[in-house]
Order: sequence, then C-alpha cells, then structure tokens
Amino acid sequence: GAVVSQHPSWVICKSGTSVKIECRSLDFQATTMFWYRQFPKQSLMLMATSNEGSKATYEQGVEKDKFLINHASLTLSTLTVTSAHPEDSSFYICSARASNTEAFFGQGTRLTVV
Amino acid sequence: AQSVSQHNHHVILSEAASLELGCNYSYGGTVNLFWYVQYPGQHLQLLLKYFSGDPLVKGIKGFEAEFIKSKFSFNLRKPSVQWSDTAEYFCAAAGTGGYNKLIFGAGTRLAVHP
Repeated sequence: GAVVSQHPSWVICKSGTSVKIECRSLDFQATTMFWYRQFPKQSLMLMATSNEGSKATYEQGVEKDKFLINHASLTLSTLTVTSAHPEDSSFYICSARASNTEAFFGQGTRLTVV
Repeated sequence: AQSVSQHNHHVILSEAASLELGCNYSYGGTVNLFWYVQYPGQHLQLLLKYFSGDPLVKGIKGFEAEFIKSKFSFNLRKPSVQWSDTAEYFCAAAGTGGYNKLIFGAGTRLAVHP
C-alpha cells in the first residue's frame, strides 16, 4: 500500500514552546490530509481536514489558533502545536487520502509537554 | 452530523470462535466504509473497504464485512479467530471523493485467548 511518513515519531518539549509535526505522502498525491488525536485506549478524534492549497476545516472544539495546519503541497501537511501545555500531550496521527481511495496512516507522533 | 457507532467496546473470544463486530454509520450522501485494525504498538492498517458494488467485501487475514444500506450497517466478521487477531478494530466512514472527512467509531478491543 501507499506510504505516509510522519515525523517526528516522538517529541518532548517545554511548556510554552511550539512543536511542528510533518506528514508526507511518499508515493502518491494526497488530495486530503486528516489530523487526529488519540488518547490512551480511545478512538481517533478528528481534529481537522486539510485540502491542498486551502484552509483546513477544523472540528468543533478544536482551537485553530493553537493547532495550525498547513497543507502546502499534495504530499506535505504540517501540524504546529503552538504554545504547548501539558494538556496537549497526546498521540497525534496524520492520514492522507487521494480521491476515492482509502486513507493511509502515518505512524503517529507522541507529544509530551513538560 | 456524521457519526460512526461501534456496539461492542470489548470482546473476549477463544481461538476458533466466530467474530462479528457491529458498526452503524450516519453520513449524508454516498459513503465509503472502512475497517481498520491497530495491533499493539503499531499504526492503523486497512482490513477492508467498501466503495460500491458487491456489498459483501473480503479483506485481509480472512476478514469480511457486509454493507447493508437499509440498516446503515457495515459489520465485520471472521468465521474463526486466532490469537494473533488480538487488536483494536475501528470502523470508519468517509464521503465519496477525497474531500470529505474520515471519521472513526470508538473502536472495539478484541482479546483472543488460546
């Protein structure tokens, strides 16, 4: 299947700093990329849907100024957690999808804010 | 609003038992349906998908699912489970085309005992 690479796989940052997570589709052009947050032993909570060249669509309750999403090309989307706080510690997963295909998932990024 | 419901949160089976995991969805318009599996410590993998055509779809590792439009259901089945099927299973739905958001059910944690 297609490959989605997410980087970094884990990151520890100090409270108040910002962290950028990259998501790349390596062998296909992703019409849409999704960003999820997964709490321990829970399902994936959709944070936002990102289409190349347009502003991301955020789910209700997700702060767009805190979780900045950029989808600059058909193979790259980034999620920046701005002014991170301990409550932002979580597992963040990106997914990429071309038209009428299944979504392919990155390996996830475990963020720990100390 | 779009939603995906999974009826069973935890399922415990013995090897060779049959498995059926329920999934119902609410999604306007034409929908694509998926089952993903997440093995411990690994990222999500696609088990099977339904886009159109034969409502009985076969996936990897002996899994199959049946799309019943009248019931808005997409239940996952396997006639005989193995210990290696121990994992978390997620049902997901997305609109057709690449621009519609992909949403997940809460997941079902399956434990198979030898």
